[in-house]
Amino acid sequence: AQTVTQSQPEMSVQEAETVTLSCTYDTSESNYYLFWYKQPPSRQMILVIRQEAYKQQNATENRFSVNFQKAAKSFSLKISDSQLGDTAMYFCAFILTADYGGSQGNLIFGKGTKLSVKP
Amino acid sequence: NAGVTQTPKFQVLKTGQSMTLQCAQDMNHNSMYWYRQDPGMGLRLIYYSASEGTTDKGEVPNGYNVSRLNKREFSLRLESAAPSQTSVYFCASVSHPEAFFGQGTRLTVV
Repeated sequence: AQTVTQSQPEMSVQEAETVTLSCTYDTSESNYYLFWYKQPPSRQMILVIRQEAYKQQNATENRFSVNFQKAAKSFSLKISDSQLGDTAMYFCAFILTADYGGSQGNLIFGKGTKLSVKP
Repeated sequence: NAGVTQTPKFQVLKTGQSMTLQCAQDMNHNSMYWYRQDPGMGLRLIYYSASEGTTDKGEVPNGYNVSRLNKREFSLRLESAAPSQTSVYFCASVSHPEAFFGQGTRLTVV
């Protein structure tokens, strides 16, 4: 069975500094996607960044980047120049890709990391 | 284009009451999911539907039933609500690998 582990229940960072959120996952499959979702107090689930397992290059989206280590099954999120609006719950998630290109199984989430950005 | 519409946004039930959470998507996706979110537990899958007419249990199905009425709609029913079902519920619609979420329902069972 696939699992996703986020070992940091809470983190805090000063505004404008950099913070890294950790995520590890477990699967015996080789074709999958990994995601980071942001959930602000509004409850909305917002996709921050995604990474396809076959792509060696780490994904980046503006101030957000990932460090994808496939062999180590690690997928950390780095937030640069942290802003007050980054305060939220962050979830790491995983989904397998089936041979036909669609989803195999379900979107599996970690337990989340609550990030607080302090002024 | 509304995406995923989930109703209601808030609900308070008494123990033993029943209710149905509604979810509809207008993106013509085959796969739809129901999750519950509890503090410190992340999002856990209750039921999912890979296509119209099919449903399967997820990690925490006890106390819930679902109906995939058509391709658009996937409802979650609590037949006899219990305080342990107090949670935030999310519906999601998936077109691999993109997932689209409803706004969530905060359900309190007293």
